[in-house]
Amino acid sequence: AQRVTQPEKLLSVFKGAPVELKCNYSYSGSPELFWYVQYSRQRLQLLLRHISRESIKGFTADLNKGETSFHLKKPFAQEEDSAMYYCALESATNKLIFGTGTLLAVQP
Amino acid sequence: NAGVTQTPKFRVLKTGQSMTLLCAQDMNHEYMYWYRQDPGMGLRLIHYSVGEGTTAKGEVPDGYNVSRLKKQNFLLGLESAAPSQTSVYFCASSYTTSGGTEQFFGPGTRLTVL
Repeated sequence: AQRVTQPEKLLSVFKGAPVELKCNYSYSGSPELFWYVQYSRQRLQLLLRHISRESIKGFTADLNKGETSFHLKKPFAQEEDSAMYYCALESATNKLIFGTGTLLAVQP
Repeated sequence: NAGVTQTPKFRVLKTGQSMTLLCAQDMNHEYMYWYRQDPGMGLRLIHYSVGEGTTAKGEVPDGYNVSRLKKQNFLLGLESAAPSQTSVYFCASSYTTSGGTEQFFGPGTRLTVL
């Protein structure tokens, strides 16, 4: 079964601390994986996609096929990073399966 | 460009009432989606459309119907609302790209069924 698992509902860190939001997936084949973010009172938007291998707002995510993981990392958290983060898997052409989301709270 | 818009923003219904949520996009996207967002459940796909005149069921289609009569619009209908349909509903659209899908989301509709 195709599935995305985000084990943490809430991750609370202090400003300046490293952040790692966990995402594991179940998929047969080569996965297309994404991180979406929803800031307070804003719409959901794409943060980054694994195929781009880019860093957005200091965040990076590496696809580890051996561990079937796509964890989102940032070395130094900022208060403006506080948001809900969703990991997503493209299960079929233009169809996404979302994880349950992790709320990141960055304390001052 | 307005991107993806949703109407209404908020609505309160009584059990058994019906309503239609409207989604519109001005990006000429082929694909459109309706999701519901519930605490602890993430986003779950209700119905989607791969082009004008087509619709397909997603993960949680029961109790909902959709129509895509025009490319830019995707309507979600609740024929007889139930309290279990209390949720935040998001519409999204996308186009095909070799780099994987980017879905563009609307602002959401908060629906309460009493």
